[in-house]
Amino acid sequence: GAVVSQHPSRVICKSGTSVKIECRSLDFQATTMFWYRQFPKQSLMLMATSNEGSKATYEQGVEKDKFLINHASLTLSTLTVTSAHPEDSSFYICSARHASRGPDEQFFGPGTRLTVL
Amino acid sequence: AQKITQTQPGMFVQEKEAVTLDCTYDTSDPSYGLFWYKQPSSGEMIFLIYQGSYDQQNATEGRYSLNFQKARKSANLVISASQLGDSAMYFCAMRSGNNRLAFGKGNQVVVIP
Repeated sequence: GAVVSQHPSRVICKSGTSVKIECRSLDFQATTMFWYRQFPKQSLMLMATSNEGSKATYEQGVEKDKFLINHASLTLSTLTVTSAHPEDSSFYICSARHASRGPDEQFFGPGTRLTVL
Repeated sequence: AQKITQTQPGMFVQEKEAVTLDCTYDTSDPSYGLFWYKQPSSGEMIFLIYQGSYDQQNATEGRYSLNFQKARKSANLVISASQLGDSAMYFCAMRSGNNRLAFGKGNQVVVIP
């Protein structure tokens, strides 16, 4: 149990287009999901915390108008990279916190590799 | 502010040997959690082991053990009997009071036969 999926796993897009990444908890309800960004050979950086039914909380330095987050249900959060540019190319990973388990239970998705040409 | 420090350079480990990965942390929260994750080249984050700040005993999970020294603020990971499949990046992370995870920069481990 506690499986998190991400779609797509890999996306290549042209500069100026918008890209939507989905994060789904497949067999549990997730009241909170987290979005991370990882550049090559670097660590994961938290971008935002997504709570079901409310606005996301963004980390300092993350543009909320650039990275739109929607957590419409207890099993789905989406990250939309608007007007993507080459510097947005990165590995985006989500994690989900199980609603009925302790705060330390976070389950990670397999990640989405975004390449902006 | 929280800080996780992993300073070791990339490491080569002989198969079947043990390896220790260093992690130090800094926090003002009295309650916190420490994690180790493995990230192979495919990119997924694989949970390995967890240590709560109030846990009296060091955590163990199979070949993984966490050497938790609270006074020194260190949480080193020990992998015993290394296997070729252990080759990966290893990240130390800490959970803050608002359940957010802060990650260290990671350690690259290569297991050689």
